[in-house]
Amino acid sequence: GAGVSQSPRYKVAKRGQDVALRCDPISGHVSLFWYQQALGQGPEFLTYFQNEAQLDKSGLPSDRFFAERPEGSVSTLKIQRTQQEDSAVYLCASSFPSVAQYFGPGTRLLVL
Amino acid sequence: RKEVEQDPGPFNVPEGATVAFNCTYSNSASQSFFWYRQDCRKEPKLLMSVYSSGNEDGRFTAQLNRASQYISLLIRDSKLSDSATYLCVVNLNNNDMRFGAGTRLTVKP
Repeated sequence: GAGVSQSPRYKVAKRGQDVALRCDPISGHVSLFWYQQALGQGPEFLTYFQNEAQLDKSGLPSDRFFAERPEGSVSTLKIQRTQQEDSAVYLCASSFPSVAQYFGPGTRLLVL
Repeated sequence: RKEVEQDPGPFNVPEGATVAFNCTYSNSASQSFFWYRQDCRKEPKLLMSVYSSGNEDGRFTAQLNRASQYISLLIRDSKLSDSATYLCVVNLNNNDMRFGAGTRLTVKP
């Protein structure tokens, strides 16, 4: 079956621009996660949904970051007024609760 | 102190070699453990779960030592295709997963 998909795969934004990153999880997966991965580092947790409920957003670095999953499937990560330090790969993962996560290909964001 | 620590490497080994990676975690309440593999510019992919009794999958063996809060991955008979970054992952509770920074492996002919 289809895996986790993300779009766009690449995004170049000017500093101050708003961006929206989309994640389509594996069908039936209840849990959805967003991670930020900087070059040479492991993924850093941003936020977690169980169905449509955002149960943990402790990893969001600032109030410029906002995530939603209104119908419990597709999720969007929005970054307002992007800054250069937001440049990273944004990974989405999905799973059934308490088991291993499956990752999408990521969105590579470059803020100029 | 980071919650999950790994030797970043790089490990450069010849084909056929045996190589071992170690990982330590700080939270004794951690519930489950995994090794992921990440190829350059690709997403992490699950390699194997790590069970308390140790487990093996072909050339790969994972071990867990809860007392020492230590996880290991052993790769036997290394192949060129094993070249990647190996991420140690610790599940703190239900869905709070923490990743190490990864250990980079290069297998050379």
